[in-house]
Amino acid sequence: DQQVKQNSPSLSVQEGRISILNCDYTNSMFDYFLWYKKYPAEGPTFLISISSIKDKNEDGRFTVFLNKSAKHLSLHIVPSQPGDSAVYFCAASRDGSSNTGKLIFGQGTTLQVKP
Amino acid sequence: DAGVTQSPTHLIKTRGQHVTLRCSPISGHKSVSWYQQVLGQGPQFIFQYYEKEERGRGNFPDRFSARQFPNYSSELNVNALLLGDSALYLCASRPGQGAHGYTFGSGTRLTVV
Repeated sequence: DQQVKQNSPSLSVQEGRISILNCDYTNSMFDYFLWYKKYPAEGPTFLISISSIKDKNEDGRFTVFLNKSAKHLSLHIVPSQPGDSAVYFCAASRDGSSNTGKLIFGQGTTLQVKP
Repeated sequence: DAGVTQSPTHLIKTRGQHVTLRCSPISGHKSVSWYQQVLGQGPQFIFQYYEKEERGRGNFPDRFSARQFPNYSSELNVNALLLGDSALYLCASRPGQGAHGYTFGSGTRLTVV
């Protein structure tokens, strides 16, 4: 049962344009969401997060939007840069799992930003 | 500051063998989690240890075990290796139980032949 889904395996955008990566979840108990970026031969790197009590969080070029009623979140990157090319994972945790350390990850979306 | 370090970086084992993977968390981080990432999938939670005790376990068979040492480093052990255990094994650390800020290591690539 895939509780966190990233339905787009890949995304290609032009440098300077907006990249929008999407993530859907099924468990309404999730209360914290994170985005990680992963380059080949490296571990995932934390990018940005959002609590379920918010609907938007912004950090520089990165903004995460949360739509709880739709159980959907998205990551916007503006403007996109070639160095943003990587695999992006969304992850979720639920109330109480801050003790168990369990993050549930989506399958990942490979972003390619073309110069 | 050193990040999360894992050893070895690559490993090839034969079916039925045993493997031990090692992780050193960021200095000051007391919580260590292990994840398995199969090609084309997102990381899957295996274990979390905090203050040397197991605090969470994912849906993995008993062939998988782990422990945390007094210096907060950790080992992941896998017995009776199967071909399906081939994956990238990631270790992540965080300061304490309540923090969401996981920092991942670069992982150990395990290939079972």
